[in-house]
Amino acid sequence: NAGVMQNPRHLVRRRGQEARLRCSPMKGHSHVYWYRQLPEEGLKFMVYLQKENIIDESGMPKERFSAEFPKEGPSILRIQQVVRGDSAAYFCASSPPSFTGSNGELFFGEGSRLTVL
Amino acid sequence: GENVEQHPSTLSVQEGDSAVIKCTYSDSASNYFPWYKQELGKRPQLIIDIRSNVGEKKDQRIAVTLNKTAKHFSLHITETQPEDSAVYFCAADSGGSNYKLTFGKGTLLTVNP
Repeated sequence: NAGVMQNPRHLVRRRGQEARLRCSPMKGHSHVYWYRQLPEEGLKFMVYLQKENIIDESGMPKERFSAEFPKEGPSILRIQQVVRGDSAAYFCASSPPSFTGSNGELFFGEGSRLTVL
Repeated sequence: GENVEQHPSTLSVQEGDSAVIKCTYSDSASNYFPWYKQELGKRPQLIIDIRSNVGEKKDQRIAVTLNKTAKHFSLHITETQPEDSAVYFCAADSGGSNYKLTFGKGTLLTVNP
């Protein structure tokens, strides 16, 4: 059973470019979460999505960041007009529906490391 | 919002000794407290978690204790081994939403052979 798959694993962008990060949840998982980890910091919640729905985006910056989880295909975290402060590791996690009902766990992917030059 | 403080930031022990990492949290509504282990460049992996209806949970060499009154929880690793070396993160959910985790800044544990 493949785990949470993220790509690309490493991405380099120049200031002002766009970054797209993709996440395929574990088989059987319909809930996806994005977290960001700045250097020497803990992970910080960004957004929680189900298929075609954003459930909670309270951790997303108000501008330049967006996320989607379409009916078909992976979840995508999109960062427009990147700045140096966006350099971080972006982790995707998935869970079965039961997790939000107090059972189970979050399974994290290997992360996508964004470097903005 | 939730604030999670974790200490120590680094911990070095001899193989076979015990290691203890402590965390405090601020949101009295928090109910879910997982601990993650992250090796360099790898994904965070859940090693143990505890929910607010219990005070202690043990899984082989790893145990977690929770004091809801004092708002602190601790990770205990006994009989440490070199492969336990990693960064350990505590986390607490925010506002009772167990997917919205607030993580501590991590503890770099080094187990010396």
